Amino acid sequence: GQNIDQPTEMTATEGAIVQINCTYQTSGFNGLFWYQQHAGEAPTFLSYNVLDGLEEKGRFSSFLSRSKGYSYLLLKELQMKDSASYLCAVSTVYNQGGKLIFGQGTELSVKP
Amino acid sequence: NAGVTQTPKFRVLKTGQSMTLLCAQDMNHEYMYWYRQDPGMGLRLIHYSVGEGTTAKGEVPDGYNVSRLKKQNFLLGLESAAPSQTSVYFCASKNGGSSYNEQFFGPGTRLTVL
Repeated sequence: GQNIDQPTEMTATEGAIVQINCTYQTSGFNGLFWYQQHAGEAPTFLSYNVLDGLEEKGRFSSFLSRSKGYSYLLLKELQMKDSASYLCAVSTVYNQGGKLIFGQGTELSVKP
Repeated sequence: NAGVTQTPKFRVLKTGQSMTLLCAQDMNHEYMYWYRQDPGMGLRLIHYSVGEGTTAKGEVPDGYNVSRLKKQNFLLGLESAAPSQTSVYFCASKNGGSSYNEQFFGPGTRLTVL
């Protein structure tokens, strides 16, 4: 079966660092995406990892370990506008329509 | 560029009624997708298309039909709506080919079936 797990909710303080974990068990692996979704809005792309290691993009970084079926999204210098849901999604099969399997999302609340 | 647009934004149906949701993209993307999003369940793929005139089933296709007559449009139909189809529906598109190309999402349609 296909399974992607993320914590349901997290709370952090403005200016702090938060790490959102994602573990996956899928029949194949062809890359992992992170999306951000503000309440009532569309998901927007944050990052993509297909090789092991850390990808950094400004205040956001994403890490992947394929052998462990594990990824995390690291958000630094948290701002109030980072309060949103963060979605982990796995592409399982190469060249099959680019389909993604999504986790349930992690609702992050940033407090002053 | 408008990106991905969806029509309508909100809709209330009675059980048994039918409706069509329209998705349009102006990015010349090959691939298009319809998802539903329910609390605690994440995004689930209903149907998708890898090109004009082609469609395929996703994870939860029952009760829905789709058509892709034009490259820029992807229609989702509900023939006989049921309360279990109350959800937020998102359309997405992607430039075909490379795995690293991300999906771009529309603003969503909030559907309530009474």
